[in-house]
Amino acid sequence: DAEITQSPRHKITETGRQVTLACHQTWNHNNMFWYRQDLGHGLRLIHYSYGVQDTNKGEVSDGYSVSRSNTEDLPLTLESAASSQTSVYFCASSEKTGVNEKLFFGSGTQLSVL
Amino acid sequence: GESVGLHLPTLSVQEGDNSIINCAYSNSASDYFIWYKQESGKGPQFIIDIRSNMDKRQGQRVTVLLNKTVKHLSLQIAATQPGDSAVYFCAENMGSGAGSYQLTFGKGTKLSVIP
Repeated sequence: DAEITQSPRHKITETGRQVTLACHQTWNHNNMFWYRQDLGHGLRLIHYSYGVQDTNKGEVSDGYSVSRSNTEDLPLTLESAASSQTSVYFCASSEKTGVNEKLFFGSGTQLSVL
Repeated sequence: GESVGLHLPTLSVQEGDNSIINCAYSNSASDYFIWYKQESGKGPQFIIDIRSNMDKRQGQRVTVLLNKTVKHLSLQIAATQPGDSAVYFCAENMGSGAGSYQLTFGKGTKLSVIP
């Protein structure tokens, strides 16, 4: 079955380190998204991509970057991890290119920055 | 019920009863709405969506109602089961065609099913 997978499921890192979270989907969706989820907030968009070589900043993009070299993967990089980036990160994808509907989410990565 | 932007409310329902989870949205120009279920430690799971040209849409044991006059969305779950215990949240999109805005997510309502 097609799916979207995230790795690792849990990550502990230190302030200032570079961290990369992986996201891989097998639906062949052009749209891919990264969100963070924190207590007291709804899901907040970090970055998104509508296709290979396309990346766009979301609501809370500072300190994060993404690259899209193929359809299946959208890795999220924290250039220099900060304690404020401790959160649960969700990757998502959707079918209709450029249309922001019916996102399918991965299981999430719990990131702790100490 | 919840509002896109409010503190997380909770709802306790007896097993077998119907559940109604509410969501107030803020943007009258929003034309697409979606409900997600999130169980503890898991990613959000799509339940049902609805466009603004509809008032009601039904799925398996779930119904979404849209009242554009008062900017209100509700999710009804029939014959609530223990497996329905989760956080439910809605999202809205203003102009969901190509080049559209991103989904705006609410914080959610926690549903607890009493056996």
